[in-house]
Amino acid sequence: EAGVAQSPRYKIIEKRQSVAFWCNPISGHATLYWYQQILGQGPKLLIQFQNNGVVDDSQLPKDRFSAERLKGVDSTLKIQPAKLEDSAVYLCASSLAGGGAADTQYFGPGTRLTVL
Amino acid sequence: AQSVAQPEDQVNVAEGNPLTVKCTYSVSGNPYLFWYVQYPNRGLQFLLKYITGDNLVKGSYGFEAEFNKSQTSFHLKKPSALVSDSALYFCAVRDEGGGFKTIFGAGTRLFVKA
Repeated sequence: EAGVAQSPRYKIIEKRQSVAFWCNPISGHATLYWYQQILGQGPKLLIQFQNNGVVDDSQLPKDRFSAERLKGVDSTLKIQPAKLEDSAVYLCASSLAGGGAADTQYFGPGTRLTVL
Repeated sequence: AQSVAQPEDQVNVAEGNPLTVKCTYSVSGNPYLFWYVQYPNRGLQFLLKYITGDNLVKGSYGFEAEFNKSQTSFHLKKPSALVSDSALYFCAVRDEGGGFKTIFGAGTRLFVKA
């Protein structure tokens, strides 16, 4: 079974530029998550989709971050404009069911973003 | 509010010795607990989870974890450490009161010395 795919793996941009990350979840997984992992910290949920609907985006900085999951499969996370504090690893994860208590999340390799 | 604490930034153990990575949690309802491992430049890999039932949970690569409700802990253990176990370990918790949002600890780096 193929895992969660993410691209690019690394990205370096100047502050105020825009950037986009792509995620392809495990086939058949209904729920997709984007996490931000700042160096030295655990992952923090940015947004959760179930199929193509948003379940939770309470921690997404909506003035600069946006995400979409068209057709309930692939997803794109965008930052515009980027700030220095956005430097982090952006992890995508997917799970089979609806994100309930027992649902196991499977993570992609992440995209390491450096904002200069 | 839900929270997870991993009190040790780093754990050092000799190969062949038992290892323990500590985790305590705070939730308002019944906890659902997870351990993940992260190798350099890789995403998080699922190790094991506690949902209900037996307090001792067995997972991948010989790891196990013990749920202790009275101490609100979920420590990760392995009877005999391998050098290849050296990695970053994350404890995570989820509960109904938090909308089943997964809250991760800050992580514990495990070094296993040959």
